Amino acid sequence: DAGVIQSPRHEVTEMGQEVTLRCKPISGHDYLFWYRQTMMRGLELLIYFNNNVPIDDSGMPEDRFSAKMPNASFSTLKIQPSEPRDSAVYFCASSLGQGQYGANVLTFGAGSRLTVL
Amino acid sequence: AQSVTQLGSHVSVSEGALVLLRCNYSSSVPPYLFWYVQYPNQGLQLLLKYTTGATLVKGINGFEAEFKKSETSFHLTKPSAHMSDAAEYFCAVTRSLSGTYKYIFGTGTRLKVLA
Repeated sequence: DAGVIQSPRHEVTEMGQEVTLRCKPISGHDYLFWYRQTMMRGLELLIYFNNNVPIDDSGMPEDRFSAKMPNASFSTLKIQPSEPRDSAVYFCASSLGQGQYGANVLTFGAGSRLTVL
Repeated sequence: AQSVTQLGSHVSVSEGALVLLRCNYSSSVPPYLFWYVQYPNQGLQLLLKYTTGATLVKGINGFEAEFKKSETSFHLTKPSAHMSDAAEYFCAVTRSLSGTYKYIFGTGTRLKVLA
């Protein structure tokens, strides 16, 4: 398996523009997570899905952020309109649910580095 | 609510010296605990995890961690540091009896290995 694949790896955009980040999880994994990493705030969970259904989006900072998972092999995180404070590395991770709830190992993608000017 | 505290955002050790990265957790139920490593420009990778059973857990690259319930700690150690160990290390906790499941990561510790 090629692992979790994220695109684009780097994105530079101007304030007010729409940004779409994409993620392809590992085949067969039933959980998908979106994290944001910044120097100031560390790793923050934005939202996670189970079997393509959003379970917890309490970490989504505001209405400008939205995430979808139309099928088991694809998810998007959209920011509209983008602001400079959204600059961060955005990680997608996936995992396989097991009997011991919460014991799952996350497999991370390489991240998408977003810079909003 | 669960939480994780990593003491020391930066740790420097000499090559060949002991590595000790500290992690303390807070959890209302017996926790599941993890250590992940992040190399530059990469995503996080699992080093080791504790769920149940033996409290001393061995991971990849010679790392190990011991779950100490009395101290609410899960410190990461390696007897002899190598230059390739330079990276950022994250402790994480997750466990919920409510039917939901959320990883809580610490703020990370950046390890520098000196030649």
